Amino acid sequence: AQSVTQLDSHVSVSEGTPVLLRCNYSSSYSPSLFWYVQHPNKGLQLLLKYTSAATLVKGINGFEAEFKKSETSFHLTKPSAHMSDAAEYFCVVSDLNKFYFGSGTKLNVKP
Amino acid sequence: GAVVSQHPSRVICKSGTSVKIECRSLDFQATTMFWYRQFPKQSLMLMATSNEGSKATYEQGVEKDKFLINHASLTLSTLTVTSAHPEDSSFYICSAGLGAGALTDTQYFGPGTRLTVL
Repeated sequence: AQSVTQLDSHVSVSEGTPVLLRCNYSSSYSPSLFWYVQHPNKGLQLLLKYTSAATLVKGINGFEAEFKKSETSFHLTKPSAHMSDAAEYFCVVSDLNKFYFGSGTKLNVKP
Repeated sequence: GAVVSQHPSRVICKSGTSVKIECRSLDFQATTMFWYRQFPKQSLMLMATSNEGSKATYEQGVEKDKFLINHASLTLSTLTVTSAHPEDSSFYICSAGLGAGALTDTQYFGPGTRLTVL
């Protein structure tokens, strides 16, 4: 069965400091993995996706994620947080055409 | 590219009435569309998968007679909440998948519809 665990419900960083949002998954197949961002009262925007090509995936807005099969992890990082990064982030594993969502991590960026 | 719209963005209705929400893929054809529900401070819950020209597949616990889904064309799916009650108040989000069937990989999400039932 497929599942996603986002280890932190809230993360708070200062502007200009690195961001790390953690995600672990379980999947019976070779998964496709995604990170989406959701700003308040908005839909989800695709940040990046992994589909068995390069294990380090670069996304939009300076975000990147590394697929580590041995650790079943797909953590999201950004070298330097910006105020506009404050939002909710969802890690998603895809099984064929069905998405399984993590519970979300709310990122707070302090000035 | 890959833009999905939803209409309306907000709707307030009285208990017992029905509400229709539209989901459109604007610049691509979506064989498969998905409907999600999101409660405050929670993750998205898949309600149903909608394939063009066929009946939707509902997730366990979702009442198909209450949440009617129609996917009449490759760019439009509708969700109708019938006889809405206050407990149906939620944020409804649709998504559209590129590809077909097992090839449907990335989903592109609409901006969501906030439904409030009084």
